[in-house]
Amino acid sequence: LAKTTQPISMDSYEGQEVNITCSHNNIATNDYITWYQQFPSQGPRFIIQGYKTKVTNEVASLFIPADRKSSTLSLPRVSLSDTAVYYCLVGDTGRRALTFGSGTRLQVQP
Amino acid sequence: IAGITQAPTSQILAAGRRMTLRCTQDMRHNAMYWYRQDLGLGLRLIHYSNTAGTTGKGEVPDGYSVSRANTDDFPLTLASAVPSQTSVYFCASSEEGLAPRDEQFFGPGTRLTVL
Repeated sequence: LAKTTQPISMDSYEGQEVNITCSHNNIATNDYITWYQQFPSQGPRFIIQGYKTKVTNEVASLFIPADRKSSTLSLPRVSLSDTAVYYCLVGDTGRRALTFGSGTRLQVQP
Repeated sequence: IAGITQAPTSQILAAGRRMTLRCTQDMRHNAMYWYRQDLGLGLRLIHYSNTAGTTGKGEVPDGYSVSRANTDDFPLTLASAVPSQTSVYFCASSEEGLAPRDEQFFGPGTRLTVL
């Protein structure tokens, strides 16, 4: 079971790029890397998923180095509305991979 | 499209009482999940169902039971509530039983307080 490690919290200002790194040293060959975002009093929301290299969508980019032992979620030009908790999940399928951990609490200041 | 609905939104319950949290999805997803989230912590999987008629235990199943009689509904029952079950409960679904590779869609949550 791939365990993940993320910073507990991060602070940023509006308009800055924010990079949140997740460590997953024992990631398995078949494991995918998935990030979710959770606003207060809401359920988590899928942001992005990747297996290797770089993935980009309208919300974020996900950078995965060749060894796949870490991944970085990049949020371009954050706004106050990006204040949330961000979770990194690593796994293939099955209940044993559904561990969200404590996540990274991002606070964006004006 | 409603997605996933949960009921009630919040509930205060006396210890020892029985309680069923309801979850309904209209996306025709095969898989459904129940998580609990305690203050300042991440989500922990309670039970899951990969398809109608099947259920499985997650990380913290004790004190909870589920059923999956059809595709749309996945109720969570606390047979005899205890204060340690005070938490926010999230229901989720995914198209196939392939989470976390499969994107999960979450409901708005039920805030349960057991006194």
